Amino acid sequence: DTAVSQTPKYLVTQMGNDKSIKCEQNLGHDTMYWYKQDSKKFLKIMFSYNNKELIINETVPNRFSPKSPDKAHLNLHINSLELGDSAVYFCASSPQKLAANSYNEQFFGPGTRLTVL
Amino acid sequence: DAKTTQPNSMESNEEEPVHLPCNHSTISGTDYIHWYRQLPSQGPEYVIHGLTSNVNNRMASLAIAEDRKSSTLILHRATLRDAAVYYCINSGGSNYKLTFGKGTLLTVNP
Repeated sequence: DTAVSQTPKYLVTQMGNDKSIKCEQNLGHDTMYWYKQDSKKFLKIMFSYNNKELIINETVPNRFSPKSPDKAHLNLHINSLELGDSAVYFCASSPQKLAANSYNEQFFGPGTRLTVL
Repeated sequence: DAKTTQPNSMESNEEEPVHLPCNHSTISGTDYIHWYRQLPSQGPEYVIHGLTSNVNNRMASLAIAEDRKSSTLILHRATLRDAAVYYCINSGGSNYKLTFGKGTLLTVNP
């Protein structure tokens, strides 16, 4: 199936641990994103990568480090997890290079529910 | 961030049309109007987008006011599978950086 996939689907861990969430898209898209949806259901962009290059970094603590080994993958590593990091994290991708006047429909993955105890 | 205003919730009956309103009074001339929806326990899903003219696709229609300060997403025949949170997004000059608001929770009654 062509899609945006994330692993794991659920992640439960203790405060202070380091964890990673993986994202892969087989749509041939150039741009990938990470979003965070908190307990109040607000969905906020965290990062965007275009062809392995960081494009958007939205005031996210530096405990969060995205890594893009190739344009089909964008992984999210989180150091020293805190209670407030508990949320659902969504990966997304869009087909084209980022440009002000081009339209980019975003395709979202199923989400990873992170619970920090 | 560009702001949109939507009702918190709306209710519809199955097989009836649904009109979901959105106000985006601070929209600028080159900003797209995007609509996404999020079904329960799933990631957001693109519905439709527009700039100035009304738009139709297989999922919905988008009616944009002449002054572009408001728009309406139209689902022509609601089904139970359309129950979701619908987000109207005015991306404020950045057509790739989506900022989601609270959205409208649509309930569809059988």
